[in-house]
Amino acid sequence: AQSVTQLDSHVSVSEGTPVLLRCNYSSSYSPSLFWYVQHPNKGLQLLLKYTSAATLVKGINGFEAEFKKSETSFHLTKPSAHMSDAAEYFCVSPGTGNQFYFGTGTSLTVIP
Amino acid sequence: GAGVSQSPSNKVTEKGKDVELRCDPISGHTALYWYRQRLGQGLEFLIYFQGNSAPDKSGLPSDRFSAERTGESVSTLTIQRTQQEDSAVYLCASSLSGTGYSYEQYFGPGTRLTVT
Repeated sequence: AQSVTQLDSHVSVSEGTPVLLRCNYSSSYSPSLFWYVQHPNKGLQLLLKYTSAATLVKGINGFEAEFKKSETSFHLTKPSAHMSDAAEYFCVSPGTGNQFYFGTGTSLTVIP
Repeated sequence: GAGVSQSPSNKVTEKGKDVELRCDPISGHTALYWYRQRLGQGLEFLIYFQGNSAPDKSGLPSDRFSAERTGESVSTLTIQRTQQEDSAVYLCASSLSGTGYSYEQYFGPGTRLTVT
């Protein structure tokens, strides 16, 4: 079975500083992994996805994530936070059958 | 083009009443998912439809929950005899296919259900 663990429930950064949202996965095979963002009162939007093509994945809005098999990690980063980045972020992996497993989410606060 | 739409956006109901939530997926998307998101928590898988195949109901929490989908179009999620613990945001997502893990899910804005 495959699952994901988001290591931080809340992250707070100052505007213009780097963002790091951590996700670890557990799997016995090379997984597919996704990051989604959920802004307040909005639906979830795909930020980026990893499907074994490249370990460094670039997404929308300047976000990127690196798949590290040795560390079983898929952390989400952005060099410089913007106020509009404040949202809930979910790390997601396909599971058994037709399910997708969502992490518990990381709430990002950006301080002006 | 149009995204996934859900209705109503908000629903307040009394305990014990039945509610019906609607999802209109993106045209051409064969896979459709329903999730529940309780306050401050991640998404909980409820049910999955893929084309005309039998749905995967393994995530439904009780027999008070049911869902239907007409072909590859509209889906309705029905909760009978609602309980206060059913209060949550119910999210619908669709994708081109559920069998390829690289397929992105497109989410609707959700229905916020409050059971009083």
